[in-house]
Amino acid sequence: EAGVVQSPRYKIIEKKQPVAFWCNPISGHNTLYWYLQNLGQGPELLIRYENEEAVDDSQLPKDRFSAERLKGVDSTLKIQPAELGDSAVYLCASSSSGGIQETQYFGPGTRLLVL
Amino acid sequence: KQEVTQIPAALSVPEGENLVLNCSFTDSAIYNLQWFRQDPGKGLTSLLLIQSSQREQTSGRLNASLDKSSGRSTLYIAASQPGDSATYLCAVKDDYKLSFGAGTTVTVRA
Repeated sequence: EAGVVQSPRYKIIEKKQPVAFWCNPISGHNTLYWYLQNLGQGPELLIRYENEEAVDDSQLPKDRFSAERLKGVDSTLKIQPAELGDSAVYLCASSSSGGIQETQYFGPGTRLLVL
Repeated sequence: KQEVTQIPAALSVPEGENLVLNCSFTDSAIYNLQWFRQDPGKGLTSLLLIQSSQREQTSGRLNASLDKSSGRSTLYIAASQPGDSATYLCAVKDDYKLSFGAGTTVTVRA
């Protein structure tokens, strides 16, 4: 069974440019998460989806970040405009139902460098 | 807000030595605790999940203990191998959110 797929794996852009990341969760997983991981730190949750509904976006900087999960499957995370401090790894994870005891499965991440 | 701390930040041991990784958290009202492994440029792989009602969990050479009342967990890796070199992160789950530590980067020297 395929795991969580993310693309691109690496992205280099200049500041003030827009950028988008794509995630395809494990088939049948209703819950999808986007995390931000700064160098030397653990991941921090940005947004959690249950199917197509964003049920927790309290940590998403909404002035420049947006996300969508059309049809409750694939998801896209966008930054516009990007700032130098956005350089980090963006991880996507999915779980079967989002229940408290559910294990989250992580993708390989997209490494973003903003110049 | 839940704070998760991992000590040490980095560890280097010769092959065959046992590894002891520590994790502490500030709010003991958790549902479970997970240990993850992260290889350079890769995502996170779940190693062990301990429910809040459990004291320990074992898988092969890995053993994780949980003392919820004191806010501590320890991951033991027996007879370390060079392939164990990676960053190990612990994460606690309260509500629906995982809160991660910064990780311990382990190097096992052949």
